[in-house]
Amino acid sequence: GESVGLHLPTLSVQEGDNSIINCAYSNSASDYFIWYKQESGKGPQFIIDIRSNMDKRQGQRVTVLLNKTVKHLSLQIAATQPGDSAVYFCAERAMNRDDKIIFGKGTRLHILP
Amino acid sequence: GAVVSQHPSWVICKSGTSVKIECRSLDFQATTMFWYRQFPKQSLMLMATSNEGSKATYEQGVEKDKFLINHASLTLSTLTVTSAHPEDSSFYICSARVGQGNSPLHFGNGTRLTVT
Repeated sequence: GESVGLHLPTLSVQEGDNSIINCAYSNSASDYFIWYKQESGKGPQFIIDIRSNMDKRQGQRVTVLLNKTVKHLSLQIAATQPGDSAVYFCAERAMNRDDKIIFGKGTRLHILP
Repeated sequence: GAVVSQHPSWVICKSGTSVKIECRSLDFQATTMFWYRQFPKQSLMLMATSNEGSKATYEQGVEKDKFLINHASLTLSTLTVTSAHPEDSSFYICSARVGQGNSPLHFGNGTRLTVT
């Protein structure tokens, strides 16, 4: 079913440390995953994506890891900066759902000075 | 590239009136656009898929007669909230993708609708 978070979990990280945001998915037919960043009052912003034939993908300061065995996805942000403060969503595309992109619950990343 | 523009960014309307929200792909053509709704502190929920030149497909529980979607061109989709009620107050966000299904959606900056 749809993922709806009633209360967003919060991850607090010291500035300069690495952040790891986790996401679990349930649809084994999902074959494409995306991480989005959403700042207050704005639409989601694309960060990085990964296809199911990969288990790791790196971008600038970000890495996405995919473990299909346990249906788990993570986003690692290196050297977290104040500008990284936002809500982060994982999203998945399922081939058995007409290519729709379905969002996970979201995690708020809070940067400590 | 891949800019999606949404208008208005916020709107306040009275109960019973209708509100139209526009979503445009500025630098690419989009045969398909997606409309999401987001309540405070919650995730984005897909409302409907807007298909250029044909009827929109709605997610379960979304009333098609209340949320009218028109996708008249390859760069414009509109969502009209008809007979708005306070419970329709939400953040409405449109998106479109460049290319096929295994490419990311690009989102507009959303429309904050407040129904009084």
